[in-house]
Amino acid sequence: QMRLLESGPGLVKPSETLSLTCTVSGDFISSDSYYWGWIRQPPGKGLEWIGTISYSGYTNYKSSLKSRVTISFDTSKNQFSLKVSSVTAADTAVYYCARLVVTGLPTNYFDFWGQGALVTVSS
Amino acid sequence: EIVLTQSPGTLSLSPGERATLSCRASQSVSSSYLAWYQQKPGQAPRLLIYGASYRATGIPDRFSGSGSGTDFTFTISRLEPEDFAVYYCQHFVTSPTFGQGTKLEIK
Repeated sequence: QMRLLESGPGLVKPSETLSLTCTVSGDFISSDSYYWGWIRQPPGKGLEWIGTISYSGYTNYKSSLKSRVTISFDTSKNQFSLKVSSVTAADTAVYYCARLVVTGLPTNYFDFWGQGALVTVSS
Repeated sequence: EIVLTQSPGTLSLSPGERATLSCRASQSVSSSYLAWYQQKPGQAPRLLIYGASYRATGIPDRFSGSGSGTDFTFTISRLEPEDFAVYYCQHFVTSPTFGQGTKLEIK
């Protein structure tokens, strides 16, 4: 059974860096059939894609966040991570990690999601 | 950048009724990359439909999707109490984009 689990601090101070890790179980992260992504949801609002990473290390970030976001792998631990620098209150959200199907047709949909991690930006 | 506009914003129906949700793209898109998700309060989104009309594993057949070009439709043929939730459409051209969501509430 594929499972994704987000972990990291729930409170981050303004101007600091938000760091989250997604641990994948039930399958290996090292597959060309999938990308791995982060999506966030501010309280009471909709879903916002942040970025994705492929096993080969190709990254794709939302243009408005690109200067502050880094997604990386730790394949030895079957994990991938998110860093968002210089955070403000606008970065307060539930952060989800998810698996993106990228092979075959139809494709390009998120088939498994983590439970989400609330990160609050406040001093 | 593709913009997905969902309508209505809120839909009030009773159990047993039929629900029809719309997702309109700002330009013609491939149906192969159109998905629908359900999100209940406090839970992560769950994939229901991919490729505009393919049900994900374990999804009941009362859920269906259709459409092409700029207009896509998600239908629940007969509402069950557990179906009241928020529904999002998503497309992928060079990157994923989500619609703003439709809240399906009990009338």
